[in-house]
Amino acid sequence: AQSVTQLDSQVPVFEEAPVELRCNYSSSVSVYLFWYVQYPNQGLQLLLKYLSGSTLVESINGFEAEFNKSQTSFHLRKPSVHISDTAEYFCAVSEGGNDMRFGAGTRLTVKP
Amino acid sequence: NAGVMQNPRHLVRRRGQEARLRCSPMKGHSHVYWYRQLPEEGLKFMVYLQKENIIDESGMPKERFSAEFPKEGPSILRIQQVVRGDSAAYFCASSQYRDMNTEAFFGQGTRLTVV
Repeated sequence: AQSVTQLDSQVPVFEEAPVELRCNYSSSVSVYLFWYVQYPNQGLQLLLKYLSGSTLVESINGFEAEFNKSQTSFHLRKPSVHISDTAEYFCAVSEGGNDMRFGAGTRLTVKP
Repeated sequence: NAGVMQNPRHLVRRRGQEARLRCSPMKGHSHVYWYRQLPEEGLKFMVYLQKENIIDESGMPKERFSAEFPKEGPSILRIQQVVRGDSAAYFCASSQYRDMNTEAFFGQGTRLTVV
C-alpha cells in the first residue's frame, strides 16, 4: 500500500524568499501525485497534480512540483512566496481508484 | 455552484452521545469520500460512497461508525457512543467520476470534540 511522508511539519520563511516543501512516497506500483492547499478556515483545494507525461507540473499561482521516480519524491517549490501563501499544504498519492493517501501536512508561514 | 458543504463546522459531544456529520456534495457529483484527520496526522481515508451504495469502507472502524449516502439528501457519517479518541476533523470530498484522479473537491470539515 502507498504511504506519504512530509518531512517538515512547519516551514517559516520571509516574504519573497524561495521555499521547498518536501514530500516522499512509497509504493510498489505507478502512482498519481497531488498537492492540496488548505487556507485558514477553508477546505482543501487542489494545487497541482501529476498523472503522467512531463514530470514538472505547475500551478496557476507560481508553485511547481517535480516527480522524481528514482527518489520517490514530489517536492513542491516556489521561487518567491507571498504572505497570501500562508497555509497548510498536503501531499497525497494514489495508486488509482478511490483511495488517496495524504501526508501529515506542512504548515507554511510567510512572514513580512 | 456551491462547493462541498459540511455541517456543522464544529460539534461538541459528551462521551457516549451520538455524532452526526453531514456532507452535501457539489452539484452533479455522485461520489463521496470521508476522511478523518487526527491531531498532527494526515488525512486518513475512511469510506467511499456512491448514491445509496457503500463502495469501499476499508478505512472505517469496525464498530460505532457508519455512513450513508441516500438517494435524496446529504451523506451522513454517524458515530455512536463517541469516545475522546474520536475527536478529530472529518473531511468530506466529492467527485464527478469514480476515479479520484479527476479533481476531488473537499469541504471545510467538521471538527468534532468529545468532552
